Amino acid sequence: EDQVTQSPEALRLQEGESSSLNCSYTVSGLRGLFWYRQDPGKGPEFLFTLYSAGEEKEKERLKATLTKKESFLHITAPKPEDSATYLCAVRRVGGYQKVTFGTGTKLQVIP
Amino acid sequence: DGGITQSPKYLFRKEGQNVTLSCEQNLNHDAMYWYRQDPGQGLRLIYYSQIVNDFQKGDIAEGYSVSREKKESFPLTVTSAQKNPTAFYLCASSILAGDTDTQYFGPGTRLTVL
Repeated sequence: EDQVTQSPEALRLQEGESSSLNCSYTVSGLRGLFWYRQDPGKGPEFLFTLYSAGEEKEKERLKATLTKKESFLHITAPKPEDSATYLCAVRRVGGYQKVTFGTGTKLQVIP
Repeated sequence: DGGITQSPKYLFRKEGQNVTLSCEQNLNHDAMYWYRQDPGQGLRLIYYSQIVNDFQKGDIAEGYSVSREKKESFPLTVTSAQKNPTAFYLCASSILAGDTDTQYFGPGTRLTVL
């Protein structure tokens, strides 16, 4: 069974204090790893898709990286508007469109 | 603007009632999905559909039903058989061809059983 574990559950940062969120996964053949941002009471907003170990993608202050066992979401010099819950998900090779989600990391950036 | 719409945003249901949640997309996506989100749990797949007039059960389909009569629409009915329906419901869609299989989500419907 596919598993996704995100850590920490919650993270509190001062504005400008860089940090990383972790997503560890177990899947029998990775088809893709996805990062989403979710604000309270809203649907997840797509950030990145990573397909193979060594791949990196960036968007503004966010950078996602992927290894064979985990992915990191690096946040550089965060701002209060980066406060949200960040979700990680994986899809395995073959089968149907099933995506397994982690429970998320709730990030709070304090001014 | 292309996107996914869900309605209503909030829904209240009395015990024993069936309710239907709407999901519409104008992205020309082939596949559509319904997830349920509960506090402290990851999103769980209820149903998905890859093509009109065809759909498959996800991990927690009991007490739910869907239809896919049009490519753009994938309504979810929460029946009285669903024992704990209070949750945040999310609809998503994706294309099926090539490497771009990312799922995009709607704004969600919060269902509360009174």
